[in-house]
Amino acid sequence: QVQLQESGPGLVKPSGTLSLTCAVSGGSISSVVWWTWVRQPPGKALEWIGEIYHADIIHYNPSLKSRVTISLDKSRNQFSLNLTSLTAADTAVYYCAGKLWGGGTPAINWFDPWGQGSLVTVSS
Amino acid sequence: DIQLTQSPSSLSASVGDRVTITCRTSQSISDYLNWYQRKPGKAPKVLIYMTSTVQNGVPSRFSGSGSGTDFTLTISSLRPEDSAIYYCQQSYTIPYTFGQGTKLEIK
Repeated sequence: QVQLQESGPGLVKPSGTLSLTCAVSGGSISSVVWWTWVRQPPGKALEWIGEIYHADIIHYNPSLKSRVTISLDKSRNQFSLNLTSLTAADTAVYYCAGKLWGGGTPAINWFDPWGQGSLVTVSS
Repeated sequence: DIQLTQSPSSLSASVGDRVTITCRTSQSISDYLNWYQRKPGKAPKVLIYMTSTVQNGVPSRFSGSGSGTDFTLTISSLRPEDSAIYYCQQSYTIPYTFGQGTKLEIK
């Protein structure tokens, strides 16, 4: 059973860069899964940040595209999120997840599994 | 972006009750609608995908229905362990978007 665990700093400074890592256990990061980041600011809805597939196909949320980078490290079986030019609005619980997919157009897809989430606060 | 509106935002019900949560989308998404459950301190988990397909291991009291822009999650007979926040999510197009959540409390 695949499990995900986020890690990273709980506090980052405004204008700085957030770096989070998601460790994948119980399965290979090279499997047929889109590796995904989602966040939830306090009192707001979950927000999809982006996804990566086999290290060479990446999709980002247009609202964050200019500031976000998602990458994959096969040797460590993990994937990462970098978010630059941070403001207080980036304070959120950040989740990593796997997106499973199937047939159809568009393809059937859903997020499973999820990590427990990592709270990141942007403050000086 | 496709907007998702869940209702109610919170509800309180008793063990054994039938509970319904609705999700309305700002444009048609066919049946590309997923439901998730999140309990405090735990990872969210998928309950239902593609409107009505119940994920393996999810109790049969959970069901989903709908199409187009209107969708429903139903818990047929509420149990204490169903206390959680429930989210809908459209999987039709990027950027994927979520409803704001429904907090379900057991009386």
